[in-house]
Amino acid sequence: AQTVTQSQPEMSVQEAETVTLSCTYDTSESDYYLFWYKQPPSRQMILVIRQEAYKQQNATENRFSVNFQKAAKSFSLKISDSQLGDAAMYFCAYYGAGSYQLTFGKGTKLSVIP
Amino acid sequence: EAGVAQSPRYKIIEKRQSVAFWCNPISGHATLYWYQQILGQGPKLLIQFQNNGVVDDSQLPKDRFSAERLKGVDSTLKIQPAKLEDSAVYLCASSLVRATGELFFGEGSRLTVL
Repeated sequence: AQTVTQSQPEMSVQEAETVTLSCTYDTSESDYYLFWYKQPPSRQMILVIRQEAYKQQNATENRFSVNFQKAAKSFSLKISDSQLGDAAMYFCAYYGAGSYQLTFGKGTKLSVIP
Repeated sequence: EAGVAQSPRYKIIEKRQSVAFWCNPISGHATLYWYQQILGQGPKLLIQFQNNGVVDDSQLPKDRFSAERLKGVDSTLKIQPAKLEDSAVYLCASSLVRATGELFFGEGSRLTVL
């Protein structure tokens, strides 16, 4: 079974600064996808960024980028120029292309300090 | 494009009572998921449908939970009888392409069991 571990229950960052959220995963599958989802207090899960395991290039979406280390099974999220609206729970998730299951970590609560 | 619709948003019941949640996925999305999110944890998959067939219900407590997806569109998740530990947010999600794992989530239904 796949597992996703987020070792930082809470993080904080000053507005306009950069923060990195950590995630590790365990799998025996060779074909999979990794995601970061954001969940604000309104509860709706919003996709932030995705990474295909077969791609070596790290994904980037505006202020959000990932550091994907396949051999180490590590998938961290970097948020640059943090904004107040970035405050939320962030979940790392793994999707196995063979198992068709999306498995979430326990989440990291990010606070942005004005 | 309309998103994933869920209702009700909030429900409070006594233990041993029953409750039902409804989900309408994004039009054209063949795959539908129900997740349970207990406070402070990441979402856990309960059941996955492909069109109107169940493809994974291994984590669904079948003695009290049931779900159906009639005609491959709307879905209903039922709990009967409810227990205190069923207090959680129930998230519905849908996806267009099952192979890539990109899920679109609804706002969730928060259940409180007293």
